[in-house]
Amino acid sequence: GESVGLHLPTLSVQEGDNSIINCAYSNSASDYFIWYKQESGKGPQFIIDIRSNMDKRQGQRVTVLLNKTVKHLSLQIAATQPGDSAVYFCAEKTQGGSEKLVFGKGTKLTVNP
Amino acid sequence: DTGVSQNPRHKITKRGQNVTFRCDPISEHNRLYWYRQTLGQGPEFLTYFQNEAQLEKSRLLSDRFSAERPKGSFSTLEIQRTEQGDSAMYLCASSSGHNQPQHFGDGTRLSIL
Repeated sequence: GESVGLHLPTLSVQEGDNSIINCAYSNSASDYFIWYKQESGKGPQFIIDIRSNMDKRQGQRVTVLLNKTVKHLSLQIAATQPGDSAVYFCAEKTQGGSEKLVFGKGTKLTVNP
Repeated sequence: DTGVSQNPRHKITKRGQNVTFRCDPISEHNRLYWYRQTLGQGPEFLTYFQNEAQLEKSRLLSDRFSAERPKGSFSTLEIQRTEQGDSAMYLCASSSGHNQPQHFGDGTRLSIL
């Protein structure tokens, strides 16, 4: 069935370090993936997306890697800052007409000064 | 602010009452989505509109729930005869097309007494 999960529920890093947040998905028919950042009391904020015909995409301080062979998605944040502290969700959309995003449970990132 | 706007931000009501939430999407977006999020979980898809047409509904959307988007712009989500289990954050998102990022509002937090 469809499911998107995360390997670690919490991640703690030092300010300035790089962070890697992982996500495993089970539906090989998914063709679109997206990462969101959610701060307390706010809605999910779009970070970066990637389509299944790509294996890497870079944004400002962020990189998403997609490994379709093992159905794994990761978000790398360079030079992590205290403002990056939040819950991060990956989500997938299945090929074939459905527009719904299926979210995992999230990883809480804490950046220590 | 040209993001997704949701009103009210908080709603407290007694069990059995009806509630209605409003979502104003990003103005040029023709796709609108409703999700529900409970504490510690990722958002769960409820329904999707393309312009005024409701094209997809989750089985989570019981017959007590109804969503409309009459003019293809703002949308309303009504819950009739609210139950304790309806307590959640109700999130609205909009996008400009297929496999384009869904941008979320900050949600309406519903508390059932």
